[in-house]
Amino acid sequence: SAVISQKPSRDICQRGTSLTIQCQVDSQVTMMFWYRQQPGQSLTLIATANQGSEATYESGFVIDKFPISRPNLTFSTLTVSNMSPEDSSIYLCSVEDRGGTAGYTFGSGTRLTVV
Amino acid sequence: QQQVKQSPQSLIVQKGGISIINCAYENTAFDYFPWYQQFPGKGPALLIAIRPDVSEKKEGRFTISFNKSAKQFSLHIMDSQPGDSATYFCAASLMGDYKLSFGAGTTVTVRA
Repeated sequence: SAVISQKPSRDICQRGTSLTIQCQVDSQVTMMFWYRQQPGQSLTLIATANQGSEATYESGFVIDKFPISRPNLTFSTLTVSNMSPEDSSIYLCSVEDRGGTAGYTFGSGTRLTVV
Repeated sequence: QQQVKQSPQSLIVQKGGISIINCAYENTAFDYFPWYQQFPGKGPALLIAIRPDVSEKKEGRFTISFNKSAKQFSLHIMDSQPGDSATYFCAASLMGDYKLSFGAGTTVTVRA
């Protein structure tokens, strides 16, 4: 299975600021995704990170709030912009893992608290 | 609108008992049904998955039962152990689409 390194693992940020989360994969992958998991809740897909083109956002998520970069097949970043306490969540990177269990592998997540 | 409904929200089982988690879906186009296990502070990890052409899949102590006509599937954890205490999510995806729709999650506590 692909191994995902996600940074930072946690952060406490002031409202109005931005945080960039990094996702590094140990092998080239076609599909990379960003999810949000609010406290005690399920996972919600934010967007699909496309290499060489703009990310594809799900309903309720916009590029101005969650800009995503995907410069190559092993790396992506998610920025949470102009944060408010409602953005406090766990943000997870995920990749389609055809080479391993033929499923989706998740990173350990970034636990974000906005104060 | 949640496309996959999961129950119960939580359950407590004694060591050695059977944990059963149920999921129901509406979209008959779904063709991949994975279960994920998540420990606190970790991302979800794929536990077991099934496609609709089989009614049951077993891997060790974990079994998925799939009822296509009822649009339901369930996870059975046999001989539950304290190390199985975690949150379990069912999910589904569409043929040709890589998006996963997750259930709300079930927190399982196995008491020694």
